[in-house]
Amino acid sequence: GESVGLHLPTLSVQEGDNSIINCAYSNSASDYFIWYKQESGKGPQFIIDIRSNMDKRQGQRVTVLLNKTVKHLSLQIAATQPGDSAVYFCAETLDTGRRALTFGSGTRLQVQP
Amino acid sequence: NAGVTQTPKFRVLKTGQSMTLLCAQDMNHEYMYWYRQDPGMGLRLIHYSVGEGTTAKGEVPDGYNVSRLKKQNFLLGLESAAPSQTSVYFCASSYQFVPPRAETQYFGPGTRLLVL
Repeated sequence: GESVGLHLPTLSVQEGDNSIINCAYSNSASDYFIWYKQESGKGPQFIIDIRSNMDKRQGQRVTVLLNKTVKHLSLQIAATQPGDSAVYFCAETLDTGRRALTFGSGTRLQVQP
Repeated sequence: NAGVTQTPKFRVLKTGQSMTLLCAQDMNHEYMYWYRQDPGMGLRLIHYSVGEGTTAKGEVPDGYNVSRLKKQNFLLGLESAAPSQTSVYFCASSYQFVPPRAETQYFGPGTRLLVL
């Protein structure tokens, strides 16, 4: 069953295309950001992270970009595959001493074969 | 390692009933968290713990209590369930932050709760 509701913004892409998922974060003092992937009926799964002293970080098929000036994060997925279909959340830390994360509302990625 | 496990997976309660959700982790993590996830709102932190015997309030703590009697377990209690507590509940755990490595939280599979 679905873990999230029906009113998430949805990005639909063709298999093999690149995907870009955007996130606006709320607190200019946040110093650490994470992207999570959540498949239907499962808990969030870590994808990639970035600290505020960086503006770009690359992983396997994924890249995260951070623009602190406009408080914007993006997740780029190269050569999107059907298995990438999921809801994607960005998260930020407001208080590194507390280690708690504040999550965005998520974006649903649908990959068309 | 099983990672983070949650029990039960699904539960239906009547208004006013009580229940306890159990979270267990076998990674020797210091930090544990309880979140709720509602449609279109992402995850919101209910309570968290920075170590055995400690708990603290998160963003939406009202109507919930927690206990961390053992390092590997974090319990979430609803004393008198309300329909507004219908949600999916996720537990998570993490290591203590060690710079410059980034911290991650490991999530359980979730508990779906319906309060009638």
